[in-house]
Amino acid sequence: GIQVEQSPPDLILQEGANSTLRCNFSDSVNNLQWFHQNPWGQLINLFYIPSGTKQNGRLSATTVATERYSLLYISSSQTTDSGVYFCAVGRTGSYQLTFGKGTKLSVIP
Amino acid sequence: NAGVTQTPKFQVLKTGQSMTLQCAQDMNHEYMSWYRQDPGMGLRLIHYSVGAGITDQGEVPNGYNVSRSTTEDFPLRLLSAAPSQTSVYFCASSGTGREKLFFGSGTQLSVL
Repeated sequence: GIQVEQSPPDLILQEGANSTLRCNFSDSVNNLQWFHQNPWGQLINLFYIPSGTKQNGRLSATTVATERYSLLYISSSQTTDSGVYFCAVGRTGSYQLTFGKGTKLSVIP
Repeated sequence: NAGVTQTPKFQVLKTGQSMTLQCAQDMNHEYMSWYRQDPGMGLRLIHYSVGAGITDQGEVPNGYNVSRSTTEDFPLRLLSAAPSQTSVYFCASSGTGREKLFFGSGTQLSVL
């Protein structure tokens, strides 16, 4: 199956700092999504972004499908951004969505 | 608009018992799926469905059964629970399977 690697595995930021999370994948995809799991376990969809760039407030994401990676940018981080960020990809022709192991972000005041 | 609803939120089973985790969505989504989340493993796909009457296996299907008799419901059945099935289970849905995926709030299952 498709391999999904996220980096870094852990990240500690001071409130107000910016960060970049990376997702590498091993095959061509037609489905890529970013999720945030908050400390209470709830999974929130941030972006559906199989290619190109999208922005939503302080968050933005870019996927370069030809080079098999996606980046999630968090600007001016807040304590409420803490949690685990997951990248999930679907290989072209498949309906299966494979998740990476996540990046655990801790934003400290 | 409730979105994706999972029940129960918590469940404790003894080895060998059976149970059904319920999942319902009110967004008229064709695609529904079940994941399990274990520490350090991320989320792994158990089964998925692209429409009523159609189901398929994911990465870790052994020990689980599913059916999809209606668009709204996608129950997950454990026929004979084992301690290895202790996990947090999430149901999710999307319009077509290649759109934004929306998750339920999860079921924490312990098998003793």
